[in-house]
Amino acid sequence: NAGVTQTPKFQVLKTGQSMTLQCAQDMNHNSMYWYRQDPGMGLRLIYYSASEGTTDKGEVPNGYNVSRLNKREFSLRLESAAPSQTSVYFCASSEERTDGYTFGSGTRLTVV
Amino acid sequence: AQSVAQPEDQVNVAEGNPLTVKCTYSVSGNPYLFWYVQYPNRGLQFLLKYITGDNLVKGSYGFEAEFNKSQTSFHLKKPSALVSDSALYFCAVRISSGSARQLTFGSGTQLTVLP
Repeated sequence: NAGVTQTPKFQVLKTGQSMTLQCAQDMNHNSMYWYRQDPGMGLRLIYYSASEGTTDKGEVPNGYNVSRLNKREFSLRLESAAPSQTSVYFCASSEERTDGYTFGSGTRLTVV
Repeated sequence: AQSVAQPEDQVNVAEGNPLTVKCTYSVSGNPYLFWYVQYPNRGLQFLLKYITGDNLVKGSYGFEAEFNKSQTSFHLKKPSALVSDSALYFCAVRISSGSARQLTFGSGTQLTVLP
């Protein structure tokens, strides 16, 4: 089925460890996004990529890096994980400005 | 800048009664407005959107939303609530012009429909 695929679904890290969250979409969308979801705070934008080869910071970029590997894939990297990065991470993609997002199923990350 | 406010963290309604989940927005320019629903341990699912035209927008699962420009609101409504409608609902806004394409989300409203 067409959509957005995120891996892994769950991850536990120790403080200071690094990891990369993977995201791929097969809808040929130009724009891709990474959000984090925390209780009572809704979804906050970490980074986005308006098109292949471009990335921009969102509302909460500190502690993260991203790579738009090609049109399909947009990865999020935590170089040195901190407990404050415990959250649920969602990747999304969209095409036209009038379109909503298609979301992945999320990655639940716990940093201990 | 663009922002969305969902003033109610929690809404409880009896099954069969009408429901309303409130949303107000702030943008510079014309807004595109969206509602999403999230079931436990799932990603967000699109419900409906307002781009232009008729102020009453109909979406999935019998939901509708009314765009009110003068009150800068986009409240989600359903005439008769079902227990299965219990979920977390998010309102989102995007500006209709300029380089920014990202959605800004509200903090979410937990809807509980009581049997």
